[in-house]
Amino acid sequence: EDQVTQSPEALRLQEGESSSLNCSYTVSGLRGLFWYRQDPGKGPEFLFTLYSAGEEKEKERLKATLTKKESFLHITAPKPEDSATYLCAVQMMDSSYKLIFGSGTRLLVRP
Amino acid sequence: GAGVSQSPSNKVTEKGKDVELRCDPISGHTALYWYRQSLGQGLEFLIYFQGNSAPDKSGLPSDRFSAERTGGSVSTLTIQRTQQEDSAVYLCASSLGQGAREQYFGPGTRLTVT
Repeated sequence: EDQVTQSPEALRLQEGESSSLNCSYTVSGLRGLFWYRQDPGKGPEFLFTLYSAGEEKEKERLKATLTKKESFLHITAPKPEDSATYLCAVQMMDSSYKLIFGSGTRLLVRP
Repeated sequence: GAGVSQSPSNKVTEKGKDVELRCDPISGHTALYWYRQSLGQGLEFLIYFQGNSAPDKSGLPSDRFSAERTGGSVSTLTIQRTQQEDSAVYLCASSLGQGAREQYFGPGTRLTVT
């Protein structure tokens, strides 16, 4: 069964304390892996797409990496405004391009 | 430019009533998706449109759910005879087309069935 698992479920960081979020997946064939940010009461906001193992993408304090079994979202020197739920999703080769989402990691960055 | 818009933003309905949720995708996006996000659960795929056709309806939870898209643009998700378990946030997304392309989400419609 195709699955996406995110850990931890929740993470509290002090401002400036770097950390990583994990997304592990078991799918039959990966077309792409996506990271989104979701603020309360809003729709998910696109962050990154990764297509192949070894690929990395960066945006401000965020860096996403991909291996054959998992992806990491590294947050360097986070700020309170980085507080949100971070969602990972995969798209399979034999799918209709739908996204299969993990349950997300709730990040709280304290000043 | 304008993003994906959805209306209404909130809908409260009585059990057994029908509801219609609307999605306006980003101009030029040919692919459109509906997802559902229930409290404490992840986003769940419902249906996918390419143009006006729906090649994948596999996520619709029951025959009370239907969707259509007209003119390759606006889409409507209809839920007939609503049940309390239909309460959720319904999210619409659009993308430029098929393939591993980014999907851009609207703000969602929060549906509450009393």
